[in-house]
Amino acid sequence: NAGVTQTPKFRILKIGQSMTLQCTQDMNHNYMYWYRQDPGMGLKLIYYSVGAGITDKGEVPNGYNVSRSTTEDFPLRLELAAPSQTSVYFCASSDGTAADNEQFFGPGTRLTVL
Amino acid sequence: KQEVTQIPAALSVPEGENLVLNCSFTDSAIYNLQWFRQDPGKGLTSLLLIQSSQREQTSGRLNASLDKSSGRSTLYIAASQPGDSATYLCAVRGSASSASKIIFGSGTRLSIRP
Repeated sequence: NAGVTQTPKFRILKIGQSMTLQCTQDMNHNYMYWYRQDPGMGLKLIYYSVGAGITDKGEVPNGYNVSRSTTEDFPLRLELAAPSQTSVYFCASSDGTAADNEQFFGPGTRLTVL
Repeated sequence: KQEVTQIPAALSVPEGENLVLNCSFTDSAIYNLQWFRQDPGKGLTSLLLIQSSQREQTSGRLNASLDKSSGRSTLYIAASQPGDSATYLCAVRGSASSASKIIFGSGTRLSIRP
């Protein structure tokens, strides 16, 4: 299994541009998550999904959108990039039916908005 | 509101020492607590997960303990090695199914001196 994969690894955007961060998992997990991590800080939850067709806001959803059309994919969309969105973005997945619901993380996407 | 704190933010010790990393949380009503390792520029690797009904978990040289009543968890690393140098994060899940109640600490950056 590849686990959780994310593309791209790095990206530089200009203010106002849009982009989609891709996330795919091959573990048949029903739960998927998007986090952002600012320098020296922990992770903050942006959006999450408990299954295909179901998404919900986390702690910091403003400026982002998500969709979950399949179990495997959970893309994160930035419509109008702002410097405040410069961060490292991590996607994660977990098996919500498992007793511990342990999270598995992708390698991250480092985004800079100039 | 749940808050997770990790102190110290950074720690440097000589190789071979045993050490303890601390994680404290304000709301004792947790479902589980997970310790992660993060290498520079990389994603998160799960080390240990402790369910709320458990007191500790062990994996190799790592031992994590949980004291819900006092809102504390510790990660004990025995016989530290330079390869243990990384940032260690703890994350608390508030309930079995609610993804929105996963709160991360800001991490302890550990450096092991040869």
